[in-house]
Amino acid sequence: DTAVSQTPKYLVTQMGNDKSIKCEQNLGHDTMYWYKQDSKKFLKIMFSYNNKELIINETVPNRFSPKSPDKAHLNLHINSLELGDSAVYFCASSQSDFYTGELFFGEGSRLTVL
Amino acid sequence: AQSVTQLDSQVPVFEEAPVELRCNYSSSVSVYLFWYVQYPNQGLQLLLKYLSGSTLVKGINGFEAEFNKSQTSFHLRKPSVHISDTAEYFCAVTQGAQKLVFGQGTRLTINP
Repeated sequence: DTAVSQTPKYLVTQMGNDKSIKCEQNLGHDTMYWYKQDSKKFLKIMFSYNNKELIINETVPNRFSPKSPDKAHLNLHINSLELGDSAVYFCASSQSDFYTGELFFGEGSRLTVL
Repeated sequence: AQSVTQLDSQVPVFEEAPVELRCNYSSSVSVYLFWYVQYPNQGLQLLLKYLSGSTLVKGINGFEAEFNKSQTSFHLRKPSVHISDTAEYFCAVTQGAQKLVFGQGTRLTINP
């Protein structure tokens, strides 16, 4: 059973389109995250949700809208896609007592915008 | 704000040789430090972490790291690497209650 699963794994689309990436965790964690990894492998946090409430929003353009229907799911919707949005997007989860620092990552969703 | 710098973007080594991947952090407060590994086409997984206590931390797959407060470093070491250790390695530090800040990554390549 995959602990943190993301779909789709690959996404190729045209500029200007809208797309969504879904994430689900079966670890019983309270906190979920979206990270963006660029072509140079640099990882940057985008959003964090704790028990369905937005905790961190790292000045991401408002074309990106996360949604957490329940604490096991965190989806990412992107409007009006741009070339610079091409990246690998990772979903992750952790216990609410975050100081242990262990994030559990999904396998990533590679988005290519043409 | 806390940050981490990984001093080497790529480290090539021969199989069974020792390796050290360097990480320096900047922070004026107590920190929690981590090393994560990313195998090709996979997500990241935790190798080891330093929260408090002993400055030498042992992790999975034979890796260890030493927290050095005076040098603000948290270098990762393995005495003898294997081909399967080929991966990207990320140093990370906590920033606030629920945020992990990653370094730029070091690509470890093991040559036979």
